[in-house]
Amino acid sequence: EAGVAQSPRYKIIEKRQSVAFWCNPISGHATLYWYQQILGQGPKLLIQFQNNGVVDDSQLPKDRFSAERLKGVDSTLKIQPAKLEDSAVYLCASSSTGLAWNEQFFGPGTRLTVL
Amino acid sequence: GENVEQHPSTLSVQEGDSAVIKCTYSDSASNYFPWYKQELGKGPQLIIDIRSNVGEKKDQRIAVTLNKTAKHFSLHITETQPEDSAVYFCAASINNYGQNFVFGPGTRLSVLP
Repeated sequence: EAGVAQSPRYKIIEKRQSVAFWCNPISGHATLYWYQQILGQGPKLLIQFQNNGVVDDSQLPKDRFSAERLKGVDSTLKIQPAKLEDSAVYLCASSSTGLAWNEQFFGPGTRLTVL
Repeated sequence: GENVEQHPSTLSVQEGDSAVIKCTYSDSASNYFPWYKQELGKGPQLIIDIRSNVGEKKDQRIAVTLNKTAKHFSLHITETQPEDSAVYFCAASINNYGQNFVFGPGTRLSVLP
């Protein structure tokens, strides 16, 4: 079974530039999550999708971050404009349902460096 | 909201020894506690979890204990091996649709050969 795919794996940009990350979840998984993991910290949830609807985006900085999951499969996360403090690994995860005790499968992440 | 603390932040053990990582949580409504292992350059991977209706769960060399009264839970790894070296995260959640994990800050475990 293929895992969660993310691209790109690495991205370096200058502050105030824009960047987009892509995620392809495990086939058939209804729930998709985007996390931000700052170096030395645990992952922090940014947004959760159930199919193509948003369940929780309470920690998403909506003035600069946006995310979409068209057709309830792939998802993109965008930052515009980027700030230095956005440097982090962005992890995508998926699970079969939105219940907490359904295992979340994580992708390898995209490491973003903002200069 | 939920707050999860984790100790120690780094842990070094000799191969074959045991390792223990401890977490505390603040929200008494939390009822699901997973542990994730993250290797360098990879995403976290679930290694064991426990629900609030049990006090202990084992899976080969790994065990997790839960004390709901004290609001803390621990990961125990016995007979450690070099491949156990990684960062371990605990998390807490209420098991319901839309409820999400709050992760601890992580413990970097090094198993020395």
